[in-house]
Amino acid sequence: NAGVTQTPKFRILKIGQSMTLQCTQDMNHNYMYWYRQDPGMGLKLIYYSVGAGITDKGEVPNGYNVSRSTTEDFPLRLELAAPSQTSVYFCASSYSGGPLAGANVLTFGAGSRLTVL
Amino acid sequence: DAKTTQPPSMDCAEGRAANLPCNHSTISGNEYVYWYRQIHSQGPQYIIHGLKNNETNEMASLIITEDRKSSTLILPHATLRDTAVYYCIATGNTPLVFGKGTRLSVIA
Repeated sequence: NAGVTQTPKFRILKIGQSMTLQCTQDMNHNYMYWYRQDPGMGLKLIYYSVGAGITDKGEVPNGYNVSRSTTEDFPLRLELAAPSQTSVYFCASSYSGGPLAGANVLTFGAGSRLTVL
Repeated sequence: DAKTTQPPSMDCAEGRAANLPCNHSTISGNEYVYWYRQIHSQGPQYIIHGLKNNETNEMASLIITEDRKSSTLILPHATLRDTAVYYCIATGNTPLVFGKGTRLSVIA
């Protein structure tokens, strides 16, 4: 099991460019999440998905888009990159079915460090 | 989600027990207490969770007070590798919201 795999690990973007952060998991988890973490701060939820075809906004969704066409993949799209989006992005996944079934026992990826200049 | 309060930082001597407190006085009956940690800039790692009974696994023990308004995460024999930020989260079945956590420094 590879767990949660994120690509790329590092990326530098110019202001106004667009890119997609890739996330894939091989644990057959229904729930997937994208968080961002600014230096010295806690994680902020961007978007999450409870299954293929279903996505919902988190705390800080502006400037991002997501899609969930398969159980395994949950890409995060940045349109018109801005310096405020400089951050480390973490993808995570978990089982569904409530706390007893492990719904909030998240497995995180290693992160993608994005710099917008 | 119930609001949680944690001390911003703590020190612990290597080999001693690390006791990390968390206050969640507004927790509701169906909300669990989860603990995660983040070592340096790695992705957070799940440690343990519980509802009202004390829980133990290979990593740690979780002690929840009878009124459920606070809890303590115990690392029984802290090592240098346990230096990390520890997050306490109280939630039902909604996505986890992370606060600033407690920065634990294990000192040789």
